[in-house]
Amino acid sequence: DAKTTQPTSMDCAEGRAANLPCNHSTISGNEYVYWYRQIHSQGPQYIIHGLKNNETNEMASLIITEDRKSSTLILPHATLRDTAVYYCIVRPSGTTTSGTYKYIFGTGTRLKVLA
Amino acid sequence: NAGVTQTPKFQVLKTGQSMTLQCAQDMNHNSMYWYRQDPGMGLRLIYYSASEGTTDKGEVPNGYNVSRLNKREFSLRLESAAPSQTSVYFCASSPQGGTEAFFGQGTRLTVV
Repeated sequence: DAKTTQPTSMDCAEGRAANLPCNHSTISGNEYVYWYRQIHSQGPQYIIHGLKNNETNEMASLIITEDRKSSTLILPHATLRDTAVYYCIVRPSGTTTSGTYKYIFGTGTRLKVLA
Repeated sequence: NAGVTQTPKFQVLKTGQSMTLQCAQDMNHNSMYWYRQDPGMGLRLIYYSASEGTTDKGEVPNGYNVSRLNKREFSLRLESAAPSQTSVYFCASSPQGGTEAFFGQGTRLTVV
C-alpha cells in the first residue's frame, strides 16, 4: 500500500481557502486518493476521493498532479467548523483477497481555522 | 437510519478483565472495520471483515478477537485487557464497491 506524507499542522484564516497538501510519491496506477477529516474526537468523515482527474463536491476540491505523486485538498472558504485533522489516504482500486477495501490512515494534518 | 452505532461509549476496565465492544450498522454494508486511535495519533486498523463469516487481520491485531455475527454486527473482544489497549475504538462500514467508509462515534476505553 502506498504511504502518504502530510504536514503535521497548518493554520488558515477564516473565509480564506485552505490548501492541504499530501505527498504520495509511491502511488500506483490503480490506487485512489481519499480524504477524510476528524473533528475533535468524533469518527472520521469522508470528504472526497479521486483517481486521476480533479474532483469537486459540495465540501471541497481535490487537485491531483499529472504524475499523481501528490495532491491538494482545497476548502474554498474555510470556517471555524472546518478546524479538524485531515487525513489523506491511498486506497487500491482492487479489493483484498477476501473481497473488501482497506483504508489505512496516517497521522494527518491538524488544520486550525483562525477567526 | 442510525448509520454505525457503537456500544458502549465509555468503559473502564481493570487489567486482565475481558469485554466485548459492539458495533452495528443499518446501511446494509458488506464491509466492516475496527480501528483504534491513541491520543494524538492517527487511526490504526485492527481487523476488518468483507462479509458475514469472514475476518482479516489489519495493522495491529494482537490482543484482539473479532466476530462478524451477521451482516449488521461486528464485535471486537479483548480477552485480557492491558493498559496498552487504552484507546478510542472506532467501528466503520462501507458498501459493495467501497466508495467511502462510514464511522461510528467511538468507544473510549481506559484500562487501569
